[in-house]
Amino acid sequence: AQKITQTQPGMFVQEKEAVTLDCTYDTSDQSYGLFWYKQPSSGEMIFLIYQGSYDEQNATEGRYSLNFQKARKSANLVISASQLGDSAMYFCAMREDTGRRALTFGSGTRLQVQP
Amino acid sequence: GAGVSQTPSNKVTEKGKYVELRCDPISGHTALYWYRQSLGQGPEFLIYFQGTGAADDSGLPNDRFFAVRPEGSVSTLKIQRTERGDSAVYLCASSLTIRYHYEQYFGPGTRLTVT
Repeated sequence: AQKITQTQPGMFVQEKEAVTLDCTYDTSDQSYGLFWYKQPSSGEMIFLIYQGSYDEQNATEGRYSLNFQKARKSANLVISASQLGDSAMYFCAMREDTGRRALTFGSGTRLQVQP
Repeated sequence: GAGVSQTPSNKVTEKGKYVELRCDPISGHTALYWYRQSLGQGPEFLIYFQGTGAADDSGLPNDRFFAVRPEGSVSTLKIQRTERGDSAVYLCASSLTIRYHYEQYFGPGTRLTVT
């Protein structure tokens, strides 16, 4: 069974600083994908970044990067140069290539960016 | 192009009533997913379709819940004899295929309130 753990219910960061949101996962599959989504107060789920289990390099998308440590089964999201608009819930999710093909989400981390 | 759309955006119904929630995926996306998000939690998987058939409905909580996708595009989630515990945001997502490395794009959700 797959499982996603986000141990930080809430995080604060000063504007323009970097912040790391933690995510660990558990799966017996060899092929899987890890995703981060942002959910602002408006409720929409916005895809941020993806990392495949076979990808050797950490994924990056603009100010977002994913610190992927396969042996430790962690997939932390790093947001650089935080902006006020980054304040939102952030969800880590995993999708296996076999078994259940839908996303399994963590419980989320609420990030608040302070001016 | 257009994103995933869901109607209605809000639905208030009385306990015991029947409701239908509609999802219109991104054109060309063969995979369609339904999730349910309770307050303060991450989305939880309900069912997903590959084409017209339900590939995995193991997340449906009981037989009051049913979903269809008769033509492989629009999907309807149907809830019979609604209960107050069904109150949540119902999210629909679509992806190009069910392969793990394709991101899922989410709709804005339907907020269901059962009184």
